[in-house]
Amino acid sequence: GAVVSQHPSRVICKSGTSVKIECRSLDFQATTMFWYRQFPKQSLMLMATSNEGSKATYEQGVEKDKFLINHASLTLSTLTVTSAHPEDSSFYICSASSGGEVNTEAFFGQGTRLTVV
Amino acid sequence: GQNIDQPTEMTATEGAIVQINCTYQTSGFNGLFWYQQHAGEAPTFLSYNVLDGLEEKGRFSSFLSRSKGYSYLLLKELQMKDSASYLCAVQDSNYQLIWGAGTKLIIKP
Repeated sequence: GAVVSQHPSRVICKSGTSVKIECRSLDFQATTMFWYRQFPKQSLMLMATSNEGSKATYEQGVEKDKFLINHASLTLSTLTVTSAHPEDSSFYICSASSGGEVNTEAFFGQGTRLTVV
Repeated sequence: GQNIDQPTEMTATEGAIVQINCTYQTSGFNGLFWYQQHAGEAPTFLSYNVLDGLEEKGRFSSFLSRSKGYSYLLLKELQMKDSASYLCAVQDSNYQLIWGAGTKLIIKP
């Protein structure tokens, strides 16, 4: 099946710094990428949806100035957590799909465990 | 509003069969997905249903009834490695995935 690569898998950063997470689709063109956040023992929470070449659509309650999303190409989207705080510590997961088609499977990256100290 | 319901936790015995149910109420329907997620890892795709009926893939099968807003994931010949969370997700009219909270499946020897 299709492969989505997410990097890094784990990152520890100091409070106040910024962290960038990359999500790449390796063998297909991802017109749409999704960014999720998952707290322990909870389901995925959609943060934002990004379409290549346009601004991301953020879910209610997600600060777009804090979680910067860039989807500049059909194979790469990035999520930057700016001025990170300990409460931003979480598991961040991206997924990619080839667009609004029936039977479009969303393929997931491996996830990034962010710890802010 | 949109809603996906599935049991929080289930327990089954190694070698047995377990059925995980999922009911949904969404704005439109463009398919239902089942994903498996082991602790600390990203979800992995198990199945996709868009038409009514049963889809079989080895030890795993998934069933859909669109008129009832209902699906189930059937796992046969359970193995210890099947201990994981199972997520039900529905693709709505905008092709956005609406996620259930997941069912934690515990397999006992």
